[in-house]
Amino acid sequence: GAVVSQHPSRVICKSGTSVKIECRSLDFQATTMFWYRQFPKQSLMLMATSNEGSKATYEQGVEKDKFLINHASLTLSTLTVTSAHPEDSSFYICSARRTGTDNGKTEAFFGQGTRLTVV
Amino acid sequence: GQQLNQSPQSMFIQEGEDVSMNCTSSSIFNTWLWYKQDPGEGPVLLIALYKAGELTSNGRLTAQFGITRKDSFLNISASIPSDVGIYFCAGRTGTASKLTFGTGTRLQVTL
Repeated sequence: GAVVSQHPSRVICKSGTSVKIECRSLDFQATTMFWYRQFPKQSLMLMATSNEGSKATYEQGVEKDKFLINHASLTLSTLTVTSAHPEDSSFYICSARRTGTDNGKTEAFFGQGTRLTVV
Repeated sequence: GQQLNQSPQSMFIQEGEDVSMNCTSSSIFNTWLWYKQDPGEGPVLLIALYKAGELTSNGRLTAQFGITRKDSFLNISASIPSDVGIYFCAGRTGTASKLTFGTGTRLQVTL
């Protein structure tokens, strides 16, 4: 089956530094990728929709200058948390939709998530 | 952002019992999805529903797309220990639009 891989799976960083999280579709091309954030014991909240070759679309309340998204190829999207603070500590999950399947009956595949801890 | 309401919030059941959980919304959705998330992992798709009234099974799992398009339920029959996890419903309005996730149902199975 289709595989979406995130790297790193866990990262600890100091407050004020930036962290980059990668989301790769390993065996398919993905024009669209999605980034979610999940706080402990809570649901997944969509942060932004990433489209290859264009600017990401951010959800209301998500700071685009703090959460930089780059989708430079059909198999890779990156999320950079800039000037991270302890309140940014969370579980970040991406999903990727196979190119050409925007038919409403093919679902995106999720990565395994990245646990970010800011100290 | 908008969330779907799931109930119950958590369940403690014995192995072999059947489980039922549901998801409700104030808005209409054209697609309902059910996911399972294990600790420290991303969600895995269990069942997808694309038509109002549709009833779909995947092994011991059965889900239905409510006729009003504002709700869905998931049943798990004869639960086993590996069913432990958090179950999320998710809804989508258009063909390529974003998913809205439910609040989750945490399932614990005791031997």
